[in-house]
Amino acid sequence: DQQVKQNSPSLSVQEGRISILNCDYTNSMFDYFLWYKKYPAEGPTFLISISSIKDKNEDGRFTVFLNKSAKHLSLHIVPSQPGDSAVYFCAATNNAGNMLTFGGGTRLMVKP
Amino acid sequence: EPEVTQTPSHQVTQMGQEVILRCVPISNHLYFYWYRQILGQKVEFLVSFYNNEISEKSEIFDDQFSVERPDGSNFTLKIRSTKLEDSAMYFCASTSSRQETQYFGPGTRLLVL
Repeated sequence: DQQVKQNSPSLSVQEGRISILNCDYTNSMFDYFLWYKKYPAEGPTFLISISSIKDKNEDGRFTVFLNKSAKHLSLHIVPSQPGDSAVYFCAATNNAGNMLTFGGGTRLMVKP
Repeated sequence: EPEVTQTPSHQVTQMGQEVILRCVPISNHLYFYWYRQILGQKVEFLVSFYNNEISEKSEIFDDQFSVERPDGSNFTLKIRSTKLEDSAMYFCASTSSRQETQYFGPGTRLLVL
């Protein structure tokens, strides 16, 4: 079941530069999207979300963009910091049921 | 800041044994969830629980699994007869309403030998 896909298993970025993490989905019923950050041996930590009625949501250094026609969302982190190094998961849900469907994750490494 | 807590952090059990994983959701939350992540794989939904009953479950959540909210604070996942393939990280999550963000606990690492 590949309803939510993160095609890049890893990403390496220099400190201070922009990190762009991508996510694609296939289920057109999804209407709410979230990004979680996960450190080893910890649970996913909520970062930012976006509803399908919007195309952008910003919170500090984190911005999520949603392109519904392309069924694509992205997370921008700027400027990237070494403490941002973690695995980032996108997740999606729909109004009918709020189970989250997760992507496979992208490991972000921010180099000092 | 309120958080979801889970116990134990690690559990090792023999195949065929019963295990109970415990979660304390955030206190004013009403919707509760279990997810699991097998090593190297995606986080997968198991079950959601609201108003003392299961509201959704995945095909993973078969008759060997059950959930319970035995009191006003705990939310438990029971696996009746564990199998090797049940080895995974199990995450509990909670939210105040269906449209709100789910907050996750730190997980229980279950190893079935």
